[in-house]
Amino acid sequence: DIRMTQSPSSLSASVGDRVTITCRASQSISTYLNWYQQEPGKAPKLLIYVASTLQSGVPSRFSGSGSGTDFTLTISSLQPEDFATYYCQQSYSTPPYTFGQGTKVEIK
Amino acid sequence: EVQLVESGGGLVQPGGSLRLSCAASGFTFSNFWMSWVRQAPGKGLEWVANIKEDGSKTYYVDSVKGRFTISRDNAKNSLYLEMNSLGVEDTAVYYCAREESFGSYNVYDCWGQGTLVTVSS
Repeated sequence: DIRMTQSPSSLSASVGDRVTITCRASQSISTYLNWYQQEPGKAPKLLIYVASTLQSGVPSRFSGSGSGTDFTLTISSLQPEDFATYYCQQSYSTPPYTFGQGTKVEIK
Repeated sequence: EVQLVESGGGLVQPGGSLRLSCAASGFTFSNFWMSWVRQAPGKGLEWVANIKEDGSKTYYVDSVKGRFTISRDNAKNSLYLEMNSLGVEDTAVYYCAREESFGSYNVYDCWGQGTLVTVSS
């Protein structure tokens, strides 16, 4: 199975900061990479798919990049509603479609 | 409005069984692969299983193979997860998710609110 590793596991940032989260796959997955946001006690929400395509309704301060094994999620200017946990997920070839372990973004 | 509503969670003893259900509405259920994803308390997301639109193909994560069975009833717009030989490691919130496809790319664009399964004596 493909293993997904996110870094950092957590980070503290202030409103207005630029935040970058990385995700690394254990083998090449082309651009079969999705990003989700999960607020405490809620279901995950799709942010970005195919590594860099913004889901409808998601603010443009979110962006994704990468291909192969290395990917990044960037929040250009952190807003109060962005404090949450972020997960990458690969959907390459056949399942299981594994998730990264998550990155918790906390208020500094 | 696209909606997924899970039910069937609860407290079960180790070695026991439970059947989860997911009721779909607001979209043509039979046109989509569907999945179960779980989250142990305080932990990350774990993909569990998925099923093809017509139920003819299924996939499972290794840790549940032979114990869990995913199924669907397109006439009832419902997804199921039959869980047997439950262990404490299966304690989690179980989410039902719709799998949208963009060509060969698959994403989970709609999720239920989750149902909690607790395995404990």
